[in-house]
Amino acid sequence: AQSVTQLGSHVSVSEGALVLLRCNYSSSVPPYLFWYVQYPNQGLQLLLKYTTGATLVKGINGFEAEFKKSETSFHLTKPSAHMSDAAEYFCAVSEGQGAQKLVFGQGTRLTINP
Amino acid sequence: GAVVSQHPSRVICKSGTSVKIECRSLDFQATTMFWYRQFPKKSLMLMATSNEGSKATYEQGVEKDKFLINHASLTLSTLTVTSAHPEDSSFYICSAPPQGPNQPQHFGDGTRLSIL
Repeated sequence: AQSVTQLGSHVSVSEGALVLLRCNYSSSVPPYLFWYVQYPNQGLQLLLKYTTGATLVKGINGFEAEFKKSETSFHLTKPSAHMSDAAEYFCAVSEGQGAQKLVFGQGTRLTINP
Repeated sequence: GAVVSQHPSRVICKSGTSVKIECRSLDFQATTMFWYRQFPKKSLMLMATSNEGSKATYEQGVEKDKFLINHASLTLSTLTVTSAHPEDSSFYICSAPPQGPNQPQHFGDGTRLSIL
């Protein structure tokens, strides 16, 4: 069975500071990994995904994440936080190509301080 | 790109009412759709997978008779919360599976259900 753990249910950073949201996964097969962002009362928007190939993936809004198999991690980063980044962020894993179910982490609420 | 439309976006109704939520794929056909439930300040939990032309597959612990799922066409899946009670209040989100290799799922905008 797959699982996702997001360390820290709430992260607070200053505007312009580095954003680091942590995600560790468990999977018995090569995983596909995703980061989604959710604004209040809205659905999920895909930030970025890792399937195969390059382990450093770049997404929208300046976010990027690095797949580290040895650490079973897929942490999300952004060099400089913007007020508009305040939202809930979810890491998710699926069993790879052909498998369609997503297993989500518990989410991390990102707060940006002016 | 592929778009999933979910309706309504918000429902407020009395206890005992049945509520239907629709999930449509707008520019593609989806033989499968997923229904998730999100509790306040919690993650998304997969409730069931709807299958066009056949019975839905429910996750363990989800009441089939409470959450009726129908996938009558290749572009429409519905979730009906029957005889809803306050504990059914939640945010419900549907999604369509990837439409190709290395493609992501496509999520609806969700439905906020509040039972008084």
